[in-house]
Amino acid sequence: GAVVSQHPSRVICKSGTSVKIECRSLDFQATTMFWYRQFPKQSLMLMATSNEGSKATYEQGVEKDKFLINHASLTLSTLTVTSAHPEDSSFYICSARDEGASEKLFFGSGTQLSVL
Amino acid sequence: GNSVTQMEGPVTLSEEAFLTINCTYTATGYPSLFWYVQYPGEGLQLLLKATKADDKGSNKGFEATYRKETTSFHLEKGSVQVSDSAVYFCALRLPTGNQFYFGTGTSLTVIP
Repeated sequence: GAVVSQHPSRVICKSGTSVKIECRSLDFQATTMFWYRQFPKQSLMLMATSNEGSKATYEQGVEKDKFLINHASLTLSTLTVTSAHPEDSSFYICSARDEGASEKLFFGSGTQLSVL
Repeated sequence: GNSVTQMEGPVTLSEEAFLTINCTYTATGYPSLFWYVQYPGEGLQLLLKATKADDKGSNKGFEATYRKETTSFHLEKGSVQVSDSAVYFCALRLPTGNQFYFGTGTSLTVIP
């Protein structure tokens, strides 16, 4: 089946630094990728929809200047958490839509971000 | 608004026990309903789905029936195995758009 690779799986950083998370579709092209965040004991919440070659669409309440999304190719989307703070510590997970398979959404394994 | 509520875990069962993980939803329109599973160290994988009322999704011995009258999509398996240990997410997708709404996930541990 389709595979989405997300890297890194875990990152610890100091407050004020920026962290980049990569999401790659390994065996299919994805014009649309999605970024989710999950706080402990809460639901996976959609942060933004990443569209190849255009600006991302952010959900209400998500700061676009803080969570920079770049979808420069059909197989790669990146999420950069800029000037990270402890409250940004969370589990981030990406997904990619395989246009050749309806209703099929493939997920990365997630990134656990801890900001000290 | 749109939301998914699923039973909190963690759930611990002995091998061959019966599993039920409850899931209810609130949605505008007629959503599609999904169960995703996340095995340790891996991404979420689609387990099963149902696209309209009374549909039953099934896969790997798991089943869930789309119940519009009770707005539910409970996951069941008659006899769990150790290899079923994972986190299970209930989700809905609205008829329009790509957005999924997920539950909080339920961690299942099956002991021999």
